Amino acid sequence: GDSVTQMEGPVTLSEEAFLTINCTYTATGYPSLFWYVQYPGEGLQLLLKATKADDKGSNKGFEATYRKETTSFHLEKGSVQVSDSAVYFCALTPWDKLIFGTGTRLQVFP
Amino acid sequence: DADVTQTPRNRITKTGKRIMLECSQTKGHDRMYWYRQDPGLGLRLIYYSFDVKDINKGEISDGYSVSRQAQAKFSLSLESAIPNQTALYFCATAPGGDPYEQYFGPGTRLTVT
Repeated sequence: GDSVTQMEGPVTLSEEAFLTINCTYTATGYPSLFWYVQYPGEGLQLLLKATKADDKGSNKGFEATYRKETTSFHLEKGSVQVSDSAVYFCALTPWDKLIFGTGTRLQVFP
Repeated sequence: DADVTQTPRNRITKTGKRIMLECSQTKGHDRMYWYRQDPGLGLRLIYYSFDVKDINKGEISDGYSVSRQAQAKFSLSLESAIPNQTALYFCATAPGGDPYEQYFGPGTRLTVT
């Protein structure tokens, strides 16, 4: 069945460091891909999305490109801040519901 | 006020008790979802509803039931709680036209002793 695999965390970085969180997927057909973020004590919120191959989603300095040839949707940010500390979930939707990865915790220190 | 609210926010209950978690939304969305979150397992879908008359099982519906009382309300029940149902439970909503951008409530932390 369809699934999402994320790198295990935690990812620990200093402020202003470059961030990559890897995400690969398995799906039949052509799913849409998403990154959701969960800040401490809160529910998930959509960070960015891409609906077809080669699309780049971006928001708040984060970017991810839908790579069909490598079945990947890696999340990147050029310079992280302490306020980016959260859990990040990659997700896909084959048709009418979301399938989430296990989440990657990011910790950013000053 | 929050668009998606969940009550209670925290609950401790004993094995065998019946418990209901409630979700209300003011976003006017047709679609509502219940997930549970466990460490290392991400979010798993329990039930989802596309409108008041449409209820569907998710990947882990055993031991749970739901009720869609109105467009704005979607309740999750544990008929006889067991310790492995200890988890963080999230309600989410989505518009019919773009069901993939889901809006999550703040979560209910449930502990079954």
